[in-house]
Amino acid sequence: GAGVSQSPSNKVTEKGKDVELRCDPISGHTALYWYRQSLGQGLEFLIYFQGNSAPDKSGLPSDRFSAERTGGSVSTLTIQRTQQEDSAVYLCASSLGPRPNTEAFFGQGTRLTVV
Amino acid sequence: TQLLEQSPQFLSIQEGENLTVYCNSSSVFSSLQWYRQEPGEGPVLLVTVVTGGEVKKLKRLTFQFGDARKDSSLHITAAQPGDTGLYLCAGIQGAQKLVFGQGTRLTINP
Repeated sequence: GAGVSQSPSNKVTEKGKDVELRCDPISGHTALYWYRQSLGQGLEFLIYFQGNSAPDKSGLPSDRFSAERTGGSVSTLTIQRTQQEDSAVYLCASSLGPRPNTEAFFGQGTRLTVV
Repeated sequence: TQLLEQSPQFLSIQEGENLTVYCNSSSVFSSLQWYRQEPGEGPVLLVTVVTGGEVKKLKRLTFQFGDARKDSSLHITAAQPGDTGLYLCAGIQGAQKLVFGQGTRLTINP
């Protein structure tokens, strides 16, 4: 399909290890978002990429979190030295851009469990 | 501090009843959106409202954008079990990021 694809769908890691989460956005979408969702709660904004502009990193909870987007397409969210409080579902979304009518299309998320 | 406040956070009602969910902010938004999320899935867009005072209807769902573009409401008429899910409002400010409220978990009991 042509939707947003995230991998892996589930990840169990030991406390202290690093993890990488991948997002393949819809082709042609210039905007890409990462959100974190805990236990069916709302979406906590993490980071936002728009075209070639500098990303908005204002939502990253600590310097253990980083993300990059290569070639304006695939994005990787990296969490270093994982902690138990990092356990959550990490959702990626893409859109045509921050215009008022634009729709964000979401992947199914990566469920991260830190043990 | 939550930029978008949703209320109630949890709502459980009987089939056939009506309900309203609110999304409030002290900030002005270019647009507000409502998404619905089911377990194990990402949120899916229901509607976008852009103009202050705008009302949009989607079958039994009615969405309204406040005149000042700071708040929105979702009203469901004659709720059905299939309406069960997590309802999220989201807003865009200017040309910036899309931010979400904390969600309203709705349960419709048969």
